[in-house]
Amino acid sequence: GQQLNQSPQSMFIQEGEDVSMNCTSSSIFNTWLWYKQEPGEGPVLLIALYKAGELTSNGRLTAQFGITRKDSFLNISASIPSDVGIYFCAGQTISNFGNEKLTFGTGTRLTIIP
Amino acid sequence: EAQVTQNPRYLITVTGKKLTVTCSQNMNHEYMSWYRQDPGLGLRQIYYSMNVEVTDKGDVPEGYKVSRKEKRNFPLILESPSPNQTSLYFCASGQFNEQFFGPGTRLTVL
Repeated sequence: GQQLNQSPQSMFIQEGEDVSMNCTSSSIFNTWLWYKQEPGEGPVLLIALYKAGELTSNGRLTAQFGITRKDSFLNISASIPSDVGIYFCAGQTISNFGNEKLTFGTGTRLTIIP
Repeated sequence: EAQVTQNPRYLITVTGKKLTVTCSQNMNHEYMSWYRQDPGLGLRQIYYSMNVEVTDKGDVPEGYKVSRKEKRNFPLILESPSPNQTSLYFCASGQFNEQFFGPGTRLTVL
């Protein structure tokens, strides 16, 4: 299947720092999504991107859909303790039959050092 | 409250003993899916369903079965579980681009 390379795998930062993570793919996606997973819970959608070049914000989070449609990045500004978790990118394709397939990256684990 | 529920949340079983993990959603979504999450591999899709009686394989379907007899339910069946199916499983439902995930089922096969 399609592969999504997500980096970095983990980040250790201090509260107040900005965070940046990205995903790259060998394939083109129609939609890029960013999810956050907290311990003991399922992933929750943070931001959805629908068009190449699109830049979308959700509070302190900003994500962009790469021009080539093969990459996306997520930035978090002025991190706070509740930002801790695992962040996943996901690329979505829609087949000719309307099938929706979501391919996930391997995740970036964010830890905030006190 | 709109939600996806999974049962059980935790299960320890032995090799070869058939088990079913249930998934139910109350949002009237047509699309449902099962994923497994393993360290370093992210979430990988096992099976998905576009609607009642319509299911298809994801990236890692071997050793699993699903059924979709009603819109709200999408059970995951392991006919003969093996240790390599020890994992954290998530059910999701959605429409168009947004998928809502259940709380997860942690399965251990001894």
